[in-house]
Amino acid sequence: QVQLVEAGGGVVQPGRSLRVSCEVSGFTFSSYGMHWVRQAPGKGLDWVAVIWNDGSNKYYSDPVKGRFTISRDNSKNTLYLQMNSLRAEDTAVYYCAREAITAIQGVFDYWGQGTLVTVSS
Amino acid sequence: DIQLTQSPSFLSASVGDRVTITCRASQDIFSYLAWYQQKPGKAPKLLIYAASTLQSGVPSRFSGSGSGTEFTLTISSLQPEDFATYFCQQLNSYPPLAFGGGTKVEIK
Repeated sequence: QVQLVEAGGGVVQPGRSLRVSCEVSGFTFSSYGMHWVRQAPGKGLDWVAVIWNDGSNKYYSDPVKGRFTISRDNSKNTLYLQMNSLRAEDTAVYYCAREAITAIQGVFDYWGQGTLVTVSS
Repeated sequence: DIQLTQSPSFLSASVGDRVTITCRASQDIFSYLAWYQQKPGKAPKLLIYAASTLQSGVPSRFSGSGSGTEFTLTISSLQPEDFATYFCQQLNSYPPLAFGGGTKVEIK
């Protein structure tokens, strides 16, 4: 069955860096675009970044552009999000999500369970 | 960027009720809209995409309609497991992908 398992969350000081990962199984990872979506405590969903199935294209939301980097290792079935210059407002549960192969782009058919990143001194 | 406004943000309903949630887009997004359900402490789950296409495995009491700037998610007969928060997502202008603010459905 399809599984996405995030790891690497924790407490980090403002201005520091953290890398979270998402290991997948149950499907051909290299065939799917992958996304990161975050959710601040008690808030709604915010799209963070996308990477094409072959890593050829990457896009970011404005709040993280220039600070976060999405990447993937198709040989390891793993997605990454490198987060630099972290701010208090980056505190959230970070979810990885698989983009469904449908006629419409951007549909998320599977999600991980999320990893909590807390930015605090 | 496209903005999505959901209403209501909170609703209280009873088991068996018909429930309707509205999502309005700041500009025409044709039928490029999805709906997700999220329960506390869990990841969102895809319910509907392309405004009205039911995701495999989702009960038929869920339905979606609309196009352009106004969309609805309807639960025909609310079940105990349907108490959750529901989010819409625009798929037209990508990136970025935007979500609505959410509608929390609670037990009356």
